[in-house]
Order: sequence, then C-alpha cells, then structure tokens
Amino acid sequence: EAGVTQFPSHSVIEKGQTVTLRCDPISGHDNLYWYRRVMGKEIKFLLHFVKESKQDESGMPNNRFLAERTGGTYSTLKVQPAELEDSGVYFCASSRGQGDYGYTFGSGTRLTVV
Amino acid sequence: QKEVEQNSGPLSVPEGAIASLNCTYSDRGSQSFFWYRQYSGKSPELIMFIYSNGDKEDGRFTAQLNKASQYVSLLIRDSQPSDSATYLCAVKVPGGSQGNLIFGKGTKLSVKP
Repeated sequence: EAGVTQFPSHSVIEKGQTVTLRCDPISGHDNLYWYRRVMGKEIKFLLHFVKESKQDESGMPNNRFLAERTGGTYSTLKVQPAELEDSGVYFCASSRGQGDYGYTFGSGTRLTVV
Repeated sequence: QKEVEQNSGPLSVPEGAIASLNCTYSDRGSQSFFWYRQYSGKSPELIMFIYSNGDKEDGRFTAQLNKASQYVSLLIRDSQPSDSATYLCAVKVPGGSQGNLIFGKGTKLSVKP
C-alpha cells in the first residue's frame, strides 16, 4: 500500500506570507495527525482528525494555523501569516482506527520562513 | 508542564553489544509509552509500545516500564550498525486523543562495526 504522502517536501516563504501543507494518509486510515519539530526541539503534537472531525486540536499553537480534512481524505494545514518561529519540519501521520497506535508517518515538509 | 526527558547522546556501542536507552516522564498519570526510531532525514517509525509495568520483548528489542519510578527504557540486543539512528521516547497525554503524544528530544545511537 502507498504510504503517507506529504507535499511539498520543502517550502521557503517570507514572513507574512501564507503556506499550505498537504497530507494524503494511507487509504482507509480514519485517523490523521499533524506534528511539527522546530529546530533543536522535540516533536510536538498539533492535532488529530478522525475522518473529517477534529478529535483533538489542543496542540495548535495559535489561530494562524488552520487545519482541514474535507471529506475525510487528505488534509491541509495552512499557516497565515507565517512567522519566523513557524520554521521546522511538519509531519503528518495516519492510523486505521480507534486504539491503533501503529501510526505511519509521512516524510515531512520542511518549512523555512525567512 | 508535562515533560519527557532523554539523554541526547550520542550513545556509542560496539556491534553485538546491548544498547540501553532511557527515558523519564513527569506526568504520573501517563499510561501509554512508545519508542520510535528515526534515521537521519527520515520520518519516525514505531518500534514498540508498552502499557504495563515490566518487560515487553519483540525480537532484539525489549521495552521496560517502571511506573513507580516514571521510567521507561529500550534495550537493543546484538546491536547492528543498521540500528544507528535517533530513538525517540513518547508518552501519551492522559485524557488526550490517541495521537496526543509528548516526545522526548531523542537519543542518538551509534553502533560501531
């Protein structure tokens, strides 16, 4: 089966611009998670979708971040306007159902805000 | 502030030796614990998870959990150069969704041939 796909793999934008990251989970995986790793820090949880619903968005840092998963398939994470501290690697992961901890991570999007 | 602490390393062991990776966590209510392996420039991959006190073995890997001491470890027996990677400890946030994990910064393991 195809893995979790993230696009783009790299993005360099200027402070104040908007960026949209996309994640395509493994087909049939209802659970989709977003994480990010800021340089030198640990990976941090952002949010969890079950199908199209936000199950837990307690990790979203502020209202400049908007995540959507229309139709319960792919998800987008929009940062508007981007700030320098948003730079890092954004990972998406998916898993099949409730209690399935076998998350499969995508290869990540490296975001650089200059 | 809930925290997961790991020694950043690098931990260097000779091929064939046992590598011991350690992790402590601050939230006594934590119930689920995970070990991920991350090769340089790649995404994390789950090695093992453990819920109960004691040992859990899977091939060359053994996870050990001691909730009283708030300590979880990963032993890698017969270490191979291919085990060289960063190992991330993660703890599920009590009451959070199943994806709400707190990660440590990781321990870099180097297995020398």
